[in-house]
Order: sequence, then structure tokens, then C-alpha cells
Amino acid sequence: SAVISQKPSRDICQRGTSLTIQCQVDSQVTMMFWYRQQPGQSLTLIATANQGSEATYESGFVIDKFPISRPNLTFSTLTVSNMSPEDSSIYLCSAASQFTTYGYTFGSGTRLTVV
Amino acid sequence: AQTVTQSQPEMSVQEAETVTLSCTYDTSENNYYLFWYKQPPSRQMILVIRQEAYKQQNATENRFSVNFQKAAKSFSLKISDSQLGDTAMYFCALSVPEKLTFGTGTRLTIIP
Repeated sequence: SAVISQKPSRDICQRGTSLTIQCQVDSQVTMMFWYRQQPGQSLTLIATANQGSEATYESGFVIDKFPISRPNLTFSTLTVSNMSPEDSSIYLCSAASQFTTYGYTFGSGTRLTVV
Repeated sequence: AQTVTQSQPEMSVQEAETVTLSCTYDTSENNYYLFWYKQPPSRQMILVIRQEAYKQQNATENRFSVNFQKAAKSFSLKISDSQLGDTAMYFCALSVPEKLTFGTGTRLTIIP
């Protein structure tokens, strides 16, 4: 199955600023996703990153706040914009190609703290 | 819409014992996949086991096995001969067929 390198692993940011998180996959994958995991809670899907087109956002998440890029089949970024303390969370990317065989692979997550 | 319910927020068991984690789900689809993921303190999500809904046979991976009851929409995970390294959060997840929906998780602690 694919291996994902996600960075940064953690960051502390000032409110009002933006942070871009990167995920690099070691092989071409058809699907990439971004999740948020608030402290002690489950994973919530933010959006599906579509190669060469706009991401598909879930209810409650908007492009202005969480712009996503996916320029090719191995790379994607998530930006958390105009941050507030409520954005403090773990952000994870996920990828799948033959998910029926290998399941979904996850990056190691980015722990974001907004102060 | 799909939902996944894990009714056991926390569990603990002695090392070498067997433990079963519960999961129920709801979907109107016939073609779907079910997963158990493990998340240790390192935050890495690790696939434990996978089940295709069209397969009646329960999936098994070494010490990990599932009890898949399709009619009851139940998908429990059994861990045999539990080890200290099994201590983690365990998430049940449903894929219909691409996006994953996660349960709230069960925090499992293995006691030496």
C-alpha cells in the first residue's frame, strides 16, 4: 500500500495567520482526503482532494477557510486560513488507490495549536 | 447518510487475554467495506483489518478477527492474546464506497 509523508508534524501559530500542510505519497493514488481530528475525538472528513480540479467539501467546511490543492496524483496541500484557537486540532491526509485491497493509508498527522 | 456507532468509549484487559470491541453501522447501500483502524499515541492511523460486505466469511489477520453480522449491521473486533502494543484508540469505519465514516472510537488499554 502507499506510504504518505505529511509535514509539518506539529506547529504553533498565531491567530489570524495561515498554515499550509503538505502530503506526499510515494505512488500515484486515485483518491486523497483531508480529515480533522479534534482532541480526544474521531476523524471528520473535511474534503476530497481532486486532481486538477476544485476539492469537494463536506458540510460545514468551506474553500475560503480550507483551500486545498492537488496538482498531481501524488501530492496535496491543505491550508488552514485566518486561524483561530478553535482550529487547534490534528489534521490528517489519507490516500487510497486499491482501497478494496489495501484500505486507506494515512499520513502521520499535523498537530496544530493556535494561540 | 452513513453512521457508525461504537458504544464502548474505554476498555481495559489484562495482557494475554481476549477482548472484543463492538461496532454497529447503518447504511442503505449493499456494496460497502468495513475497517478497523488503530491509532496509538503516535497519531498514526494503522489499518488492522478489512471486511467486504459481500463476503460472508469473517476476516482474520493473525490475532485479530471480526464478527460480521450483515443483517444486524454489526462489525465487532476480537483481539486474542492481547499485547501491550495493542494499547491504542480503535476506530471502526465504513466506506460506501470511497469516503470513510468513522465511529467515535474505543480507547483500549492492555494491563501488564
